[in-house]
Amino acid sequence: EAQVTQNPRYLITVTGKKLTVTCSQNMNHEYMSWYRQDPGLGLRQIYYSMNVEVTDKGDVPEGYKVSRKEKRNFPLILESPSPNQTSLYFCASSLYPGSYNSPLHFGNGTRLTVT
Amino acid sequence: KQEVTQIPAALSVPEGENLVLNCSFTDSAIYNLQWFRQDPGKGLTSLLLIQSSQREQTSGRLNASLDKSSGRSTLYIAASQPGDSATYLCAVTTGANSKLTFGKGITLSVRP
Repeated sequence: EAQVTQNPRYLITVTGKKLTVTCSQNMNHEYMSWYRQDPGLGLRQIYYSMNVEVTDKGDVPEGYKVSRKEKRNFPLILESPSPNQTSLYFCASSLYPGSYNSPLHFGNGTRLTVT
Repeated sequence: KQEVTQIPAALSVPEGENLVLNCSFTDSAIYNLQWFRQDPGKGLTSLLLIQSSQREQTSGRLNASLDKSSGRSTLYIAASQPGDSATYLCAVTTGANSKLTFGKGITLSVRP
């Protein structure tokens, strides 16, 4: 089944403890992206990747890191989490977003709480 | 900077009603527009994608239209059902980096 898989689904951690949220897609998609969703603010892009070894900042990259060493994986790293990073995080992928017929596929989300 | 607006933020209708959800965007130089559905606490599911050269797309009871020149799209839902209750988001793809910009969504409640 074609899908985007994120892990974990739920995560509670403490300020300053490094964590990684994994994302994997099995559709051979070029493009992958991370978003956070907060009440009243909607979906905001954190980082995106157009291809292997190519990553770029989205709208809210501060406090996050990503890597794209393989086409299928795009982990999100929080080196020193803070309470303002408490949010619902989504990974998404598409064949290529600039393509005229390339829908975006989302994972089921990771709900992160930083205390 | 592209901005996407969805008004109203919430909508409640009785079952069986035909309804229209609106989406507007400020920069008409888009590659495509997508409509998504999000159930509470879940990820987004792509419903329809309209290419910039198209005027509409249909899938079952859903029909999405695009008027690029006026910066508007509508999602028409025919014969609404309680199972249609969810948040509906639109997103446009623009720019050299093919950035997606999302609206904040419309939360739809269909009353039995």
